[in-house]
Amino acid sequence: DTGVSQDPRHKITKRGQNVTFRCDPISEHNRLYWYRQTLGQGPEFLTYFQNEAQLEKSRLLSDRFSAERPKGSFSTLEIQRTEQGDSAMYLCASSLAPGQGNKPNTGELFFGEGSRLTVL
Amino acid sequence: QKEVEQNSGPLSVPEGAIASLNCTYSDRGSQSFFWYRQYSGKSPELIMFIYSNGDKEDGRFTAQLNKASQYVSLLIRDSQPSDSATYLCAVRRGGSSNTGKLIFGQGTTLQVKP
Repeated sequence: DTGVSQDPRHKITKRGQNVTFRCDPISEHNRLYWYRQTLGQGPEFLTYFQNEAQLEKSRLLSDRFSAERPKGSFSTLEIQRTEQGDSAMYLCASSLAPGQGNKPNTGELFFGEGSRLTVL
Repeated sequence: QKEVEQNSGPLSVPEGAIASLNCTYSDRGSQSFFWYRQYSGKSPELIMFIYSNGDKEDGRFTAQLNKASQYVSLLIRDSQPSDSATYLCAVRRGGSSNTGKLIFGQGTTLQVKP
């Protein structure tokens, strides 16, 4: 499977614990995005990387959230001291930067299946 | 005001009818527009992309863009029960303010009844 993969798919944790999610993007994609989605809402932007550089982080993201993409390949999203309000689906997506690549490229995002977090 | 607004629905149409899904956006600098489909419990998948004013057709799907009115729509002809899903509108800023991210609306739930 050459799509975006996320791990774990489901995580149940107790309030106050730390959790980490991993995302492996499509191999030739240089951009990687993290979104959060709750029931009945669209994906909410968290942060994104181009190669290993974190280019933007949502102002809505508290200091308890941190993301890394150390070698420009896979990425991790860590949530420290989880709260019940952090319960959501965490979606990872990857893309080529618009205009890059050999084929016409819209810069569309390809999503993984998501990591569902439940904080008790 | 939300950056991207959609009616959450549900929008219910009979099988074979045309489903019309609408989206408005607030940032006049937006230049790329996407429609994603999301089945319950699944991740979003792209079904249409448009960046020029006017219509773009792909099979049973037509995307319509009107930048002056800051409005983008998706028409689904000959709706099938398998089209029942949530449809997400997303926009990306362009030019020098292009940050790369897509901003999503809350999605419209479509129900196609046999």
